[in-house]
Amino acid sequence: GENVEQHPSTLSVQEGDSAVIKCTYSDSASNYFPWYKQELGKRPQLIIDIRSNVGEKKDQRIAVTLNKTAKHFSLHITETQPEDSAVYFCAARGGGADGLTFGKGTHLIIQP
Amino acid sequence: GAVVSQHPSRVICKSGTSVKIECRSLDFQATTMFWYRQFPKQSLMLMATSNEGSKATYEQGVEKDKFLINHASLTLSTLTVTSAHPEDSSFYICSAPPNQGARAFFGQGTRLTVV
Repeated sequence: GENVEQHPSTLSVQEGDSAVIKCTYSDSASNYFPWYKQELGKRPQLIIDIRSNVGEKKDQRIAVTLNKTAKHFSLHITETQPEDSAVYFCAARGGGADGLTFGKGTHLIIQP
Repeated sequence: GAVVSQHPSRVICKSGTSVKIECRSLDFQATTMFWYRQFPKQSLMLMATSNEGSKATYEQGVEKDKFLINHASLTLSTLTVTSAHPEDSSFYICSAPPNQGARAFFGQGTRLTVV
């Protein structure tokens, strides 16, 4: 089955700086890669996603890049703000009827 | 985005009892729903895939007789934790994509505490 590795487990950045979280996946058949933000005790919120036919996608301060050959994808957050502090999960999905395989999460801390 | 509602949000039960958790798609029909479990400070782990009109498929290591899943309609899937024990205490969360291959939206989650 799919295996998703996520790094780092904790990331502390100064407010206004950029944050990058990286994930790798094992199943070359995976074709959908979402990123979720989860605040304590709440449901994961989809913040951005990318499909395997695209190399990069951007939505305001958030961007995701995908390298299919290397089987890795990354989340980039620019101009970080205190409200960006949360746990971020990457995930991968193979066939359309499959569930998501999640990375272990990154606790992002924005230092004021 | 699609709305997925989960109930209850919190439940405390005694060891040995059963607990039912509901997952509803409010503005779309979902032939497939997914159930995840999240232990404190850990990631979400897929437990099973709920299929409308047929049996659920369970991930390796998940006991199907302990975690009963019923997907009786296109808008409702239920997860019943049978004979719950303290180690079953966790955050259970469902998700449903509006159609195959679509984005998956999550329910609010259910915090289960077994005492």
